[in-house]
Amino acid sequence: GAVVSQHPSRVICKSGTSVKIECRSLDFQATTMFWYRQFPKQSLMLMATSNEGSKATYEQGVEKDKFLINHASLTLSTLTVTSAHPEDSSFYICSAREGIYGYTFGSGTRLTVV
Amino acid sequence: AQSVTQLDSQVPVFEEAPVELRCNYSSSVSVYLFWYVQYPNQGLQLLLKYLSGSTLVESINGFEAEFNKSQTSFHLRKPSVHISDTAEYFCAVSDLEAGGTSYGKLTFGQGTILTVHP
Repeated sequence: GAVVSQHPSRVICKSGTSVKIECRSLDFQATTMFWYRQFPKQSLMLMATSNEGSKATYEQGVEKDKFLINHASLTLSTLTVTSAHPEDSSFYICSAREGIYGYTFGSGTRLTVV
Repeated sequence: AQSVTQLDSQVPVFEEAPVELRCNYSSSVSVYLFWYVQYPNQGLQLLLKYLSGSTLVESINGFEAEFNKSQTSFHLRKPSVHISDTAEYFCAVSDLEAGGTSYGKLTFGQGTILTVHP
């Protein structure tokens, strides 16, 4: 089946630094990827939708300058958390849409900002 | 706009007992319904989905869900749970994007934590 590889699985960074999270579709081309954020014991909140070769579409309330999304190829999308602060600590999950078949999720990245 | 409500935040059950996780949705258009399972610190895995056709859909590990359009529900059931079913379960809905060739964005419910006790 379709696989989305997400790295790193865990990252700890200092406040003020930037962190990049990668999502790769391993055996299919993902023209669209979704980035979610999940707080403890809460549901997934859609942050943005990225389409290959174009600018990401951010959901209301999501700072596009803080959460930079790049989808430069059909198999790779990246989320960069810039100037991270403790309140950015969360679980980030990507998902790739497979045309008419549905969605495949990455395994998630636990970001801790200290 | 679409929304999903999972009526129970936590469901504790004993092993081999039946379980039902409830999900209701609202949408002004035709929807596609999904159940996902999430184990701690992991991504989401598709459990089952309803796209069209038979309103009763089944997963390979014994779960089933029934799409009820009149009640706008998509409840998840299993007749006999195992310890390994302990996880968080999310109900989600999407529609078709304009042009009808791709699913739209997924909207998730709040999640239900299923805990199976020995």
